[in-house]
Amino acid sequence: LAKTTQPISMDSYEGQEVNITCSHNNIATNDYITWYQQFPSQGPRFIIQGYKTKVTNEVASLFIPADRKSSTLSLPRVSLSDTAVYYCLVGPVSGAGSYQLTFGKGTKLSVIP
Amino acid sequence: GAVVSQHPSWVICKSGTSVKIECRSLDFQATTMFWYRQFPKQSLMLMATSNEGSKATYEQGVEKDKFLINHASLTLSTLTVTSAHPEDSSFYICSARPSGGPHTDTQYFGPGTRLTVL
Repeated sequence: LAKTTQPISMDSYEGQEVNITCSHNNIATNDYITWYQQFPSQGPRFIIQGYKTKVTNEVASLFIPADRKSSTLSLPRVSLSDTAVYYCLVGPVSGAGSYQLTFGKGTKLSVIP
Repeated sequence: GAVVSQHPSWVICKSGTSVKIECRSLDFQATTMFWYRQFPKQSLMLMATSNEGSKATYEQGVEKDKFLINHASLTLSTLTVTSAHPEDSSFYICSARPSGGPHTDTQYFGPGTRLTVL
């Protein structure tokens, strides 16, 4: 499973756009990139998943460059309730070892009023 | 959609007793479920992969005789912590992968179970 590197923490003011970048230099051809959000004492919540280029849903966008060695989670206009730990995970979704998620340390996002 | 529940949400037990934690997929079927453990201020660590109708696959360092996993149906997996000790106190989280539909490549997590062993 590809290892990921994220900033340990980030601070942002309410209403700003937040971009969290994740490095995954040894991503494999069949690996997907998935981001989860976790609040204290709760299970992780799926945010977004992608393979290449750009993916957007109702809560976030995921930007993946052509070499796929990194990805950026973009949260538009954050609010205090977005304060959480954000995890970037990389792994296959089919075949051997599929669906197993290896969580790194994540990025603790603190939104300031 | 894609809701996973866990029961109980928290449990306190005496050292030496066994505790069972249930993980249910409420609105989808899950051939595969996963069990994680999370210590304070740390990340989630995968303990085992549970497949419906077959034996669970445990990660290295996880004692299969201590953490018994049963996945008897497509919507229920249980984790039993046998002869629990204070060092087993942790936050246990399950996840489930839908067997069919458009989201088979995604894991959905339960709310977690806080286990405290006295």
